[in-house]
Amino acid sequence: SYVLTQPPSVSVSPGQTARIPCSGDALPTQYAYWFQQKPGQAPVLLMYKDSERPSGIPERFSGSSSGTTVTLTISAVQAEDEADYYCQSADSSGTNWVFGGGTKLTVL
Amino acid sequence: EVQLVESGGGLVQPGRSLRLSCSASGFTFGDYAMSWVRQAPGKGLEWIGLIRSKSDGVTTDYVASVKGRFTISRDDSKSIAYLHMSSLKTADTAVYYCSTGYYWGQGTLVTVSS
Repeated sequence: SYVLTQPPSVSVSPGQTARIPCSGDALPTQYAYWFQQKPGQAPVLLMYKDSERPSGIPERFSGSSSGTTVTLTISAVQAEDEADYYCQSADSSGTNWVFGGGTKLTVL
Repeated sequence: EVQLVESGGGLVQPGRSLRLSCSASGFTFGDYAMSWVRQAPGKGLEWIGLIRSKSDGVTTDYVASVKGRFTISRDDSKSIAYLHMSSLKTADTAVYYCSTGYYWGQGTLVTVSS
């Protein structure tokens, strides 16, 4: 089955830049989506189609794609950004969707 | 205001069935594919499946682990999506979310235990 791979954890100090990669073989042909989830809450869509930001999402969140890796970048990290982050995409058939294992962002 | 409200969760014995509902309001439900996603306690998100809109043929896809046991359906006249779960296993214990991708419900907890 298709797998998206994320690092389990990323730590940054406030004001620094956090980068969360997500790798998968089909990412060159399938869009990626990013979600933020805080404890006890439903996920929130942060990025769609690799790098498009929904309305209401701060500009410090950005997405990029290069080959088999997509990256969520959070500039000028704030304490409130501490959360779990998940990438999502589909396999090459476009019918089987998966989430990455999630990355816990810790703001030091 | 857009709302997705899941209901129907609870405690169920292994091998039994359960139907979850996702009631939508505030947007044109029939225009959207609806997905179900679950999250086991302390674990990550798992995509279960989706049902496409009428314009895309109302087709469904499922993750392998639930294929043949779970069925997603929709009633556009009532703006409700359903997740029919059968032959439930303890491993199906999770919070179940419905989502359009952009909009998410708050989830309903399903506990499978004897």
